[in-house]
Amino acid sequence: EVQLVESGGGLVQPGRSLRLSCAASGFTFDDYAMHWVRQAPGKGLEWVSGISWNSGSIGYADSVKGRFTISRDNAKNSLYLQMNSLRAEDTALYYCAKGSTNGVWNFGMIDYWGQGTLVTVSS
Amino acid sequence: DIQMTQSPSSLSASVGDRVTITCRASQGISNYLAWYQQKPGKVPKLLIYAASTLQSGVPSRFSGSGSGTDFTLTISSLQPEDVATYYCQKYNSAPHTFGGGTKVEIK
Repeated sequence: EVQLVESGGGLVQPGRSLRLSCAASGFTFDDYAMHWVRQAPGKGLEWVSGISWNSGSIGYADSVKGRFTISRDNAKNSLYLQMNSLRAEDTALYYCAKGSTNGVWNFGMIDYWGQGTLVTVSS
Repeated sequence: DIQMTQSPSSLSASVGDRVTITCRASQGISNYLAWYQQKPGKVPKLLIYAASTLQSGVPSRFSGSGSGTDFTLTISSLQPEDVATYYCQKYNSAPHTFGGGTKVEIK
């Protein structure tokens, strides 16, 4: 059974940093691309970032480019999102999600989702 | 970047009605289009990928069509358990943008 468990969310002041983690199990982690997707309270889904199986291909939404950094550690079956210069508009539930491909050409659609970790940016 | 526009943003229909949701890409994306269902308070669920391929376990009343820039999600006979918000997503290349969502309610 595929499991994706996010951690690291919380309340943070504007301008500060936060690092999200995602522990994956139930599939061969280093065969697949991974995504971060967020959802602000009462709003729709927003794709944040994706990373290929070997970290050779990485993509970001314009809204986070230059502030957020995605990474993965295949030895630890873990995905990360380093979030710097946080803004109030980054407040959202952040989902870790599994891509359907290895990410060489695209990161694929999302076939499994975690439960999310809540990030609140407020003074 | 390619924009994904869904319509309508919400709809109300009766049980048994045929429901159609549209998703339009600002540039061609071939068939790299997925549809997701998110029920209130729940995690999104993959319904359809490659524009028209039904994900395993999804009821056959759901179907998808389209290619290039125009896509549709159809529920052939709306059921009470289909109350949810539906999202399209492009995945041909980054950014893998979602549409704004369509909220489906029962009349």
